[in-house]
Amino acid sequence: GENVEQHPSTLSVQEGDSAVIKCTYSDSASNYFPWYKQELGKGPQLIIDIRSNVGEKKDQRIAVTLNKTAKHFSLHITETQPEDSAVYFCAAAANAGGTSYGKLTFGQGTILTVHP
Amino acid sequence: EAQVTQNPRYLITVTGKKLTVTCSQNMNHEYMSWYRQDPGLGLRQIYYSMNVEVTDKGDVPEGYKVSRKEKRNFPLILESPSPNQTSLYFCASSVTRPTGGLFHFGNGTRLTVT
Repeated sequence: GENVEQHPSTLSVQEGDSAVIKCTYSDSASNYFPWYKQELGKGPQLIIDIRSNVGEKKDQRIAVTLNKTAKHFSLHITETQPEDSAVYFCAAAANAGGTSYGKLTFGQGTILTVHP
Repeated sequence: EAQVTQNPRYLITVTGKKLTVTCSQNMNHEYMSWYRQDPGLGLRQIYYSMNVEVTDKGDVPEGYKVSRKEKRNFPLILESPSPNQTSLYFCASSVTRPTGGLFHFGNGTRLTVT
């Protein structure tokens, strides 16, 4: 089935700096790549997603890039703020075919800490 | 308010004592799923359901059962819990299959099996 690898496992930045989290996936049938933010004591919440027909997507300070050839995608957070501190997960899913159909496979998570 | 509700939030039990974690959504979603979250392993899918009476195994189904008799409910059953099932569990739902976007997650159930 699909395997999603996420790096780094922890990331510490100063307020105002940029943060980048990277993921790779194995199933070429995967065509949907969401990112989730999990705050303490809560379930993950979708912050941005990208589909395989798009190379980049932005939403204010957050952007995601996708390289289908290399099978990797990244989350970029600019002008980080202390409230960005959380656990971030990438994920992958396939629309049809492949062993990933019907499943949303997650990476291992990145603990992001933004220091004031 | 649109939400996924899991109960209980915390559960401590002993090996072998059957338990059920309930999950309910009020958004008329077709797709529901259970995940477990363990440090360093991320979220791993246990079971999922595309619609009523349709369930399928995820990546770590051993030791778990589910049922989907009604659209809104998707309980997770541990017939004979073991210590390796100590984990944080999340139920999630979406309008349609995962590529349709926007999973809604519950707030989690922390299970300890001694």
